[in-house]
Amino acid sequence: DIQMTQSPSSLSASVGDTVTITCRASQGITNYLAWYQQKPGKVPKLLIYAASTLQSGVPSRFSGGGSGTDFTLTISSLQPEDVATYYCQKYNRAPITFGQGTRLEIQ
Amino acid sequence: QLQLQESGPGLVKPSETLSLTCTVSGGSISSNSYYWGWIRQPPEKGLEWIGSIYYSGNTYYNPSLKSRVTISVDTSKNRFSLKLSSVTAADTAVYYCARLPLYDSSGYYPEGLVYFDYWGQGTLVTVSS
Repeated sequence: DIQMTQSPSSLSASVGDTVTITCRASQGITNYLAWYQQKPGKVPKLLIYAASTLQSGVPSRFSGGGSGTDFTLTISSLQPEDVATYYCQKYNRAPITFGQGTRLEIQ
Repeated sequence: QLQLQESGPGLVKPSETLSLTCTVSGGSISSNSYYWGWIRQPPEKGLEWIGSIYYSGNTYYNPSLKSRVTISVDTSKNRFSLKLSSVTAADTAVYYCARLPLYDSSGYYPEGLVYFDYWGQGTLVTVSS
């Protein structure tokens, strides 16, 4: 199975900062990658699919990039409401798998 | 507005079968544009895909759970269900149902192996005697 590894596992940043989370696949997955945001105690929310396509209603300060094995989620102008755990998910073929998550805190 | 709602027992004894149902409202489970799936999340841990089903009954399961999982669909009641047999404490988790779109701006995913765009609120199932 293809493994998805996120880095860092956690990070802390200030309001207004730009942060980048990385997701690496153990094999190439073209652009079959999604990103989710899960706020504490809440349901995961789809942010990005096809590596870089923003889901409807998601603020434009979120952006995704990459293809093949290396992907990024970038949050510009960090807001207090961005405190969450972020997950990547690959879907090129079964099984669907998620990264282990990156916890984002605000300093 | 599409809504998915999980229901079922919150406590299951070890070795028994966990049974959950996801009722879909605000949309038809018989649409040819979506698969429907189950995901779980153990306390303080990450997400794990369990399996997915099409309205026709076609299913895909996570190989790590395949021997214990059955997902079924009831189009007359607009709902789908999960059964997980021989549960242990390791199966304690929040169980989510979700929708998987077969079409997006990038193309068509006929096998339904895609992402999850709508989620239920989740239900905590604890395995304990």
